[in-house]
Amino acid sequence: AIQMTQSPSSLSASVGDRVTITCRASQGIRNYLGWYQQKPGKAPKLLIYAASRLQSGVPSRFSGSGSGTDFTLTISSLQPEDFATYYCLQDDNFPRTFGQGTKVEIK
Amino acid sequence: EVQLVQSGAEVKKPGESLRISCKDLGDDFTTYWIGWVRQMPGKGLEWMGIIFPDDSDTRYNPSFEGQITISADKSISTAYLQLSSLKASDTAMYYCAKQKDGSGLFDYWGQGTLVTVSS
Repeated sequence: AIQMTQSPSSLSASVGDRVTITCRASQGIRNYLGWYQQKPGKAPKLLIYAASRLQSGVPSRFSGSGSGTDFTLTISSLQPEDFATYYCLQDDNFPRTFGQGTKVEIK
Repeated sequence: EVQLVQSGAEVKKPGESLRISCKDLGDDFTTYWIGWVRQMPGKGLEWMGIIFPDDSDTRYNPSFEGQITISADKSISTAYLQLSSLKASDTAMYYCAKQKDGSGLFDYWGQGTLVTVSS
C-alpha cells in the first residue's frame, strides 16, 4: 500500500497566519490526492480534490498544489473556524490511504 | 441530493458480530461507490473498502480483509458494514461515505456510528 506521510503532525498558528501542510506519497500518485478537514465529533469534509481543485462551497483561502509524490495544502489567512485536523488521501491506487493527520491549533 | 444516514451507536461484547447500516435518502444510490472509513478513538482515518451497489463490486483494504464484509441492498438504498468476532480494538467510529464522481475521494459522509466493544 502507498504510504502517505504528512508534516507537521501538529502546528500552532494565529488567526490571519498563512499555514502550509505537506503530504508525501511513498510512490508517485500523479495528481490523485485530496485534502480533508475534520472537526471534533464531526465527519471529515472534502476541501481539495485532484490535488488542486477546490471542492464546491469551500472558501478560496484554501488551496492545494503538487503532483507525483509531494503535495501541499495552504490556508492563506487562517480563520477561527479553520482550527481542525487536516488529512490527505490518495486515490490513485487501492487501497486508498490517508495521511496521519495534522492538527492545527490556536497559538 | 445525497444524504447518508447511519444506524445508531452500538455496544457489543468481544466475540460478537455487528452490522452497521448506511441509508441514502437521495435517489442515485446505484450510480456511485459507497465506502467505509474507521476512526479509532483519538486516531486518524483508515480507508476500509468500497462497494458499487448496482452490481455489488467490492474492493477491500487488505488490512481489513477477512474481518469485515461490505454489502448493499439497492432496493432500499442501503449499504452495510459487517464486523465479525469483535475485539476491544474494534472500538471506533465508523463512517460511510459516497465516492465523488470521477474521483476516488469521498465527498458526502454519514454522521458516523460509534461502536464500543467491551466485556
